[in-house]
Amino acid sequence: AQSVTQPDIHITVSEGASLELRCNYSYGATPYLFWYVQSPGQGLQLLLKYFSGDTLVQGIKGFEAEFKRSQSSFNLRKPSVHWSDAAEYFCAVGPPSGAGSYQLTFGKGTKLSVIP
Amino acid sequence: DAGVTQSPTHLIKTRGQQVTLRCSPKSGHDTVSWYQQALGQGPQFIFQYYEEEERQRGNFPDRFSGHQFPNYSSELNVNALLLGDSALYLCASSLRASGPYEQYFGPGTRLTVT
Repeated sequence: AQSVTQPDIHITVSEGASLELRCNYSYGATPYLFWYVQSPGQGLQLLLKYFSGDTLVQGIKGFEAEFKRSQSSFNLRKPSVHWSDAAEYFCAVGPPSGAGSYQLTFGKGTKLSVIP
Repeated sequence: DAGVTQSPTHLIKTRGQQVTLRCSPKSGHDTVSWYQQALGQGPQFIFQYYEEEERQRGNFPDRFSGHQFPNYSSELNVNALLLGDSALYLCASSLRASGPYEQYFGPGTRLTVT
């Protein structure tokens, strides 16, 4: 069964500092990979996704993520955090096209706090 | 262009009761998925509707059922509510032709079961 692990429940960074949120997955093949952000009272917003090709993907709001097959990881990064980035971040995996299923499996999330 | 809308925003029910949650997809979308997000957890897939049929289902009991209407809107019904059903219920819509992963999420309905 597929699963997603986000080892850090809560991370606090200073505004302007760099950020890396960790995500590890368990899946029989290479799944599709996603990062979502959820602000209080808001739905999930897709930051970026990886289907295939270049293992470094760029997303919205200055975020990027790197897929490392050997480590089954898909870590999210941002070079300089803004106070508005404070939110909860979710990593998710889904079966690749043709698998007959489009069910997303989410990690438990990492809450990001930003110190001014 | 309205995004995904859900109603109601909040709901309080008693154990054993039944509840119906509603979702209107983003304009142009034809597929609706429902997720349950318990406190401190990530969203869990309940089921997905396309062409008014349930296409996929996650690991949820039959107490959870749904419906999709011809205008693509959807309902989630939960019978015989348990305390453990308290959660944020998220609806996500997508256009099948664009790929099922191009999902847009609504703000959710917060269900509290007492």
